Amino acid sequence: ETGVTQTPRHLVMGMTNKKSLKCEQHLGHNAMYWYKQSAKKPLELMFVYSLEERVENNSVPSRFSPECPNSSHLFLHLHTLQPEDSALYLCASSQDLSFTYGYTFGSGTRLTVV
Amino acid sequence: GESVGLHLPTLSVQEGDNSIINCAYSNSASDYFIWYKQESGKGPQFIIDIRSNMDKRQGQRVTVLLNKTVKHLSLQIAATQPGDSAVYFCAENFSGGYNKLIFGAGTRLAVHP
Repeated sequence: ETGVTQTPRHLVMGMTNKKSLKCEQHLGHNAMYWYKQSAKKPLELMFVYSLEERVENNSVPSRFSPECPNSSHLFLHLHTLQPEDSALYLCASSQDLSFTYGYTFGSGTRLTVV
Repeated sequence: GESVGLHLPTLSVQEGDNSIINCAYSNSASDYFIWYKQESGKGPQFIIDIRSNMDKRQGQRVTVLLNKTVKHLSLQIAATQPGDSAVYFCAENFSGGYNKLIFGAGTRLAVHP
């Protein structure tokens, strides 16, 4: 365990479903991130949160909706997804936005949209 | 959370040999670089980092070399072991307003006995 926990590990959902991905860290970090990892592209930064405030929305479609209720938890709410959204979704955290000694990643949620 | 990389370049080495994985980064203003290792079923894990004021840094069995002139980064793994089989990513720290990591495409390392 890295200290960043993601649930569920695997998720299959239909295009009309609504689901949520959860990320939790107890490292005392103040910044959290969502990345998408697919076969066609390198790790893509989706969202950045610092002290529960979103600081970046990297041109992500509105069918992905992040939520950061506190500095330890990050959610990614999913609705009306497309098959091309199938990917591995990785959560990461860091001390803060100015502390770049790398990110700590979770193990990811493997999402399949059918 | 296995690495998704059906189209990744692959480096195949024999157990015990040295491995060199290369990476070209994009931003000449990047000031910090990291190598990550991603094994099947796991997220990326930190291996070694280097700041732009250095050109070489050594860890346990790993060495990172930085050539800022040609924007090139390499990871050298000594005496490669089967447990080193994974996908390796380089990442550069881009300070566009705040610091964030931009990742390369990755290289799959396959170690054969």
